[in-house]
Amino acid sequence: EAGVTQSPTHLIKTRGQQATLRCSPISGHTSVYWYQQALGLGLQFLLWYDEGEERNRGNFPPRFSGRQFPNYSSELNVNALELEDSALYLCASSRRPGLSSYEQYFGPGTRLTVT
Amino acid sequence: AQSVTQLGSHVSVSEGALVLLRCNYSSSVPPYLFWYVQYPNQGLQLLLKYTTGATLVKGINGFEAEFKKSETSFHLTKPSAHMSDAAEYFCASWNSGNTPLVFGKGTRLSVIA
Repeated sequence: EAGVTQSPTHLIKTRGQQATLRCSPISGHTSVYWYQQALGLGLQFLLWYDEGEERNRGNFPPRFSGRQFPNYSSELNVNALELEDSALYLCASSRRPGLSSYEQYFGPGTRLTVT
Repeated sequence: AQSVTQLGSHVSVSEGALVLLRCNYSSSVPPYLFWYVQYPNQGLQLLLKYTTGATLVKGINGFEAEFKKSETSFHLTKPSAHMSDAAEYFCASWNSGNTPLVFGKGTRLSVIA
């Protein structure tokens, strides 16, 4: 069974540009989560999508947005990039929360560097 | 609101020694609890989980954790540390509904030869 995949592995952007990160969940998983892991700040919850709908959002500005497609894959868009957006962005997937086997499985991450 | 506290941002043990990583949760109802491990420049890998039932949970790579409701703790242990255990470990909790998984700040484990 294939795990969570993310692309690209690395992304280098200039301040003010836009970045698009992609995630494909494990087959059978309907929920996709995005986290930011910046140096020294731990894992910060960004967004949660399930069945194409946004279920919850972390404390991030609106320039962080995303969507989930009918095949349950997801995109994270970061507009007007700032230097402090440089981080490892992790995507995770799970079966629909509430099912007894709920747990999140993580992808390898996308390393975003803003210069 | 839920919170997870991991005591010790950095723990160092000798190879072959006991590993003990501490995690305490704050929740009005017993949550689901998880331990994840992260190797450098990689994503998180699920080590073990507690949902309901047996309070001693066994995971991969010889790790186990015990859910203690009276102490609101879910400490991770391994009897004998191996060099390959050096990594960052995260404890996480989840209640229900549309609340996201709540992570602790992580504990970096170093194993000394």
